[in-house]
Amino acid sequence: EVQLVQSGAEVKKPGESLKISCKGSGYSFTSYWIGWVRQMPGKGLEWMGIIYPGDSDTRYSPSFQGQVTISADKSISTAYLQWSSLKASDTAMYYCARSSSIAARRDYWGQGTLVTVSS
Amino acid sequence: QSVLTQPPSVSGAPGQRVTISCTGSSSNIGAGYDVHWYQQLPGTAPKLLIYGNSNRPSGVPDRFSGSKSGTSASLAITGLQAEDEADYYCQSYDSSLSGLFGGGTKLTVL
Repeated sequence: EVQLVQSGAEVKKPGESLKISCKGSGYSFTSYWIGWVRQMPGKGLEWMGIIYPGDSDTRYSPSFQGQVTISADKSISTAYLQWSSLKASDTAMYYCARSSSIAARRDYWGQGTLVTVSS
Repeated sequence: QSVLTQPPSVSGAPGQRVTISCTGSSSNIGAGYDVHWYQQLPGTAPKLLIYGNSNRPSGVPDRFSGSKSGTSASLAITGLQAEDEADYYCQSYDSSLSGLFGGGTKLTVL
Protein backbone atom coordinates (compact mmCIF):
# COMPACT_ATOMS: atom_id res chain seq x y z
CA GLU A 1 0.00 0.00 0.00
CA VAL A 2 1.39 3.39 -1.02
CA GLN A 3 1.65 5.78 1.91
CA LEU A 4 3.08 9.23 2.48
CA VAL A 5 3.40 10.00 6.18
CA GLN A 6 4.24 13.53 7.22
CA SER A 7 5.80 14.80 10.41
CA GLY A 8 3.66 16.31 13.14
CA ALA A 9 2.35 19.80 13.73
CA GLU A 10 4.84 22.52 14.59
CA VAL A 11 4.55 25.78 16.52
CA LYS A 12 7.43 28.17 15.91
CA LYS A 13 8.36 31.80 16.46
CA PRO A 14 9.18 34.25 13.66
CA GLY A 15 12.81 34.00 12.64
CA GLU A 16 13.19 30.36 13.66
CA SER A 17 14.16 27.60 11.25
CA LEU A 18 12.12 24.50 10.50
CA LYS A 19 12.35 21.28 8.50
CA ILE A 20 9.28 19.09 7.99
CA SER A 21 9.30 15.65 6.46
CA CYS A 22 7.35 13.27 4.24
CA LYS A 23 8.20 9.56 4.34
CA GLY A 24 7.14 7.36 1.45
CA SER A 25 6.48 3.64 1.63
CA GLY A 26 4.89 0.91 -0.46
CA TYR A 27 6.53 1.98 -3.73
CA SER A 28 9.91 2.76 -5.28
CA PHE A 29 10.66 6.13 -3.66
CA THR A 30 13.32 7.01 -6.24
CA SER A 31 10.99 6.50 -9.20
CA TYR A 32 8.41 9.18 -8.43
CA TRP A 33 8.46 12.91 -7.86
CA ILE A 34 7.40 14.33 -4.48
CA GLY A 35 5.77 17.75 -4.56
CA TRP A 36 4.93 20.16 -1.75
CA VAL A 37 1.67 22.10 -1.60
CA ARG A 38 0.76 24.99 0.71
CA GLN A 39 -2.74 25.72 1.95
CA MET A 40 -3.06 28.86 4.02
CA PRO A 41 -6.00 29.05 6.46
CA GLY A 42 -9.26 29.18 4.53
CA LYS A 43 -7.46 29.41 1.20
CA GLY A 44 -6.72 27.25 -1.83
CA LEU A 45 -3.89 24.94 -2.82
CA GLU A 46 -0.58 26.42 -3.97
CA TRP A 47 2.10 24.46 -5.81
CA MET A 48 5.43 25.14 -4.06
CA GLY A 49 7.92 22.87 -5.75
CA ILE A 50 8.85 19.31 -6.52
CA ILE A 51 11.80 16.94 -6.23
CA TYR A 52 12.81 13.71 -7.91
CA PRO A 53 14.54 11.70 -5.19
CA GLY A 54 16.28 9.51 -7.75
CA ASP A 55 18.67 12.30 -8.74
CA SER A 56 17.53 15.21 -6.52
CA ASP A 57 16.34 17.24 -9.53
CA THR A 58 14.33 20.03 -7.89
CA ARG A 59 12.00 22.66 -9.35
CA TYR A 60 10.39 25.57 -7.53
CA SER A 61 7.37 27.71 -8.26
CA PRO A 62 8.57 31.29 -8.84
CA SER A 63 6.49 32.34 -5.83
CA PHE A 64 8.48 30.09 -3.51
CA GLN A 65 11.95 30.18 -5.09
CA GLY A 66 14.40 31.38 -2.45
CA GLN A 67 11.80 31.16 0.31
CA VAL A 68 12.02 27.43 1.03
CA THR A 69 14.34 24.52 0.31
CA ILE A 70 13.17 21.12 -0.87
CA SER A 71 15.41 18.12 -0.40
CA ALA A 72 15.26 14.34 -0.14
CA ASP A 73 17.19 11.50 1.46
CA LYS A 74 16.57 8.45 -0.69
CA SER A 75 18.31 6.17 1.80
CA ILE A 76 15.37 6.65 4.17
CA SER A 77 12.69 7.39 1.53
CA THR A 78 12.02 10.84 2.96
CA ALA A 79 11.49 14.24 1.39
CA TYR A 80 11.86 17.51 3.26
CA LEU A 81 10.63 21.08 3.16
CA GLN A 82 12.61 23.61 5.13
CA TRP A 83 12.70 27.26 6.07
CA SER A 84 15.71 29.17 7.37
CA SER A 85 13.74 32.06 8.87
CA LEU A 86 10.02 31.63 9.36
CA LYS A 87 7.49 34.46 9.04
CA ALA A 88 3.98 34.67 10.40
CA SER A 89 2.76 34.42 6.81
CA ASP A 90 4.22 30.89 6.62
CA THR A 91 1.40 29.72 8.88
CA ALA A 92 -0.38 27.08 6.81
CA MET A 93 -1.05 23.41 6.23
CA TYR A 94 1.63 21.80 4.07
CA TYR A 95 0.98 18.66 2.05
CA CYS A 96 3.34 16.38 0.19
CA ALA A 97 2.07 14.44 -2.80
CA ARG A 98 3.47 11.87 -5.22
CA SER A 99 3.46 12.12 -8.99
CA SER A 100 5.07 10.25 -11.88
CA SER A 101 6.21 13.47 -13.55
CA ILE A 102 6.18 17.21 -12.92
CA ALA A 103 2.97 17.65 -14.91
CA ALA A 104 1.26 14.43 -13.85
CA ARG A 105 -1.53 13.87 -11.38
CA ARG A 106 -0.76 13.86 -7.65
CA ASP A 107 -2.09 10.38 -6.95
CA TYR A 108 -1.16 9.94 -3.30
CA TRP A 109 -1.08 12.64 -0.65
CA GLY A 110 0.32 12.91 2.85
CA GLN A 111 -1.98 13.77 5.73
CA GLY A 112 -0.60 17.29 6.00
CA THR A 113 1.62 19.13 8.50
CA LEU A 114 0.22 22.21 10.20
CA VAL A 115 2.85 24.90 10.73
CA THR A 116 1.94 27.77 13.05
CA VAL A 117 4.29 30.75 13.29
CA SER A 118 3.45 33.14 16.08
CA SER A 119 5.30 35.32 18.53
CA GLN B 1 -5.10 35.37 -8.36
CA SER B 2 -4.59 31.91 -9.84
CA VAL B 3 -3.46 31.35 -13.42
CA LEU B 4 -6.18 28.68 -13.65
CA THR B 5 -9.54 30.33 -13.02
CA GLN B 6 -12.38 28.51 -11.28
CA PRO B 7 -15.70 29.88 -10.04
CA PRO B 8 -15.46 30.48 -6.27
CA SER B 9 -18.67 28.61 -5.62
CA VAL B 10 -21.38 26.48 -7.23
CA SER B 11 -24.47 24.90 -5.74
CA GLY B 12 -27.15 22.40 -6.61
CA ALA B 13 -29.94 20.39 -5.09
CA PRO B 14 -29.60 16.65 -4.43
CA GLY B 15 -29.95 14.70 -7.66
CA GLN B 16 -29.07 17.63 -9.88
CA ARG B 17 -26.08 18.09 -12.19
CA VAL B 18 -23.42 20.73 -11.62
CA THR B 19 -20.33 21.70 -13.58
CA ILE B 20 -17.16 23.43 -12.46
CA SER B 21 -15.01 25.16 -15.04
CA CYS B 22 -11.25 25.65 -15.06
CA THR B 23 -10.02 28.27 -17.51
CA GLY B 24 -6.37 28.55 -18.43
CA SER B 25 -4.36 29.87 -21.36
CA SER B 26 -2.20 28.88 -24.31
CA SER B 27 0.79 28.26 -22.04
CA ASN B 28 -0.92 25.66 -19.88
CA ILE B 29 -4.19 23.90 -20.74
CA GLY B 30 -4.13 25.23 -24.29
CA ALA B 31 -0.58 23.95 -24.76
CA GLY B 32 -1.88 20.41 -24.41
CA TYR B 33 -1.03 19.73 -20.77
CA ASP B 34 -3.40 17.43 -18.96
CA VAL B 35 -5.89 18.67 -16.37
CA HIS B 36 -6.47 16.79 -13.13
CA TRP B 37 -9.18 17.36 -10.54
CA TYR B 38 -9.12 16.94 -6.76
CA GLN B 39 -11.80 16.84 -4.11
CA GLN B 40 -11.03 18.18 -0.65
CA LEU B 41 -13.51 17.38 2.09
CA PRO B 42 -13.41 19.64 5.15
CA GLY B 43 -10.37 19.00 7.32
CA THR B 44 -8.84 16.39 5.03
CA ALA B 45 -6.10 16.15 2.43
CA PRO B 46 -7.06 16.52 -1.24
CA LYS B 47 -8.05 13.35 -3.07
CA LEU B 48 -7.51 12.67 -6.78
CA LEU B 49 -10.88 12.68 -8.54
CA ILE B 50 -10.12 12.89 -12.29
CA TYR B 51 -6.79 12.53 -14.04
CA GLY B 52 -5.64 13.04 -17.60
CA ASN B 53 -8.63 15.29 -18.34
CA SER B 54 -11.29 12.59 -18.19
CA ASN B 55 -10.09 9.45 -16.39
CA ARG B 56 -11.41 8.26 -13.04
CA PRO B 57 -9.17 6.50 -10.52
CA SER B 58 -10.44 3.23 -9.17
CA GLY B 59 -13.15 3.81 -6.58
CA VAL B 60 -14.38 7.16 -7.87
CA PRO B 61 -18.08 6.96 -8.82
CA ASP B 62 -19.00 7.45 -12.46
CA ARG B 63 -21.15 10.40 -11.35
CA PHE B 64 -17.92 12.37 -11.69
CA SER B 65 -16.62 13.13 -15.18
CA GLY B 66 -14.11 15.48 -16.74
CA SER B 67 -13.56 17.06 -20.10
CA LYS B 68 -11.16 19.45 -21.78
CA SER B 69 -11.45 21.72 -24.78
CA GLY B 70 -9.08 24.41 -25.96
CA THR B 71 -7.86 26.41 -22.99
CA SER B 72 -10.52 25.15 -20.57
CA ALA B 73 -11.58 22.06 -18.70
CA SER B 74 -14.71 21.08 -16.81
CA LEU B 75 -15.71 18.77 -14.02
CA ALA B 76 -19.28 17.51 -14.05
CA ILE B 77 -21.07 15.90 -11.14
CA THR B 78 -24.41 14.22 -11.80
CA GLY B 79 -26.88 12.86 -9.27
CA LEU B 80 -25.59 15.30 -6.66
CA GLN B 81 -25.35 13.88 -3.13
CA ALA B 82 -24.86 15.57 0.23
CA GLU B 83 -21.46 13.86 0.58
CA ASP B 84 -20.24 15.70 -2.53
CA GLU B 85 -20.15 18.97 -0.60
CA ALA B 86 -16.47 19.87 -0.70
CA ASP B 87 -13.86 22.07 -2.34
CA TYR B 88 -12.76 21.11 -5.86
CA TYR B 89 -9.46 22.06 -7.48
CA CYS B 90 -8.14 21.70 -11.00
CA GLN B 91 -4.42 21.21 -11.62
CA SER B 92 -2.30 21.51 -14.73
CA TYR B 93 1.19 22.50 -15.81
CA ASP B 94 2.51 25.71 -17.29
CA SER B 95 5.66 25.81 -19.38
CA SER B 96 6.81 28.95 -17.58
CA LEU B 97 5.46 28.47 -14.06
CA SER B 98 5.65 24.70 -13.54
CA GLY B 99 2.81 23.19 -11.54
CA LEU B 100 -0.47 25.04 -11.20
CA PHE B 101 -3.64 24.71 -9.17
CA GLY B 102 -6.87 26.52 -9.81
CA GLY B 103 -8.21 28.78 -7.08
CA GLY B 104 -10.73 26.17 -5.97
CA THR B 105 -14.52 25.93 -6.07
CA LYS B 106 -16.73 25.35 -3.07
CA LEU B 107 -19.64 23.07 -3.89
CA THR B 108 -22.73 23.48 -1.73
CA VAL B 109 -25.47 20.85 -1.83
CA LEU B 110 -28.71 22.68 -1.08
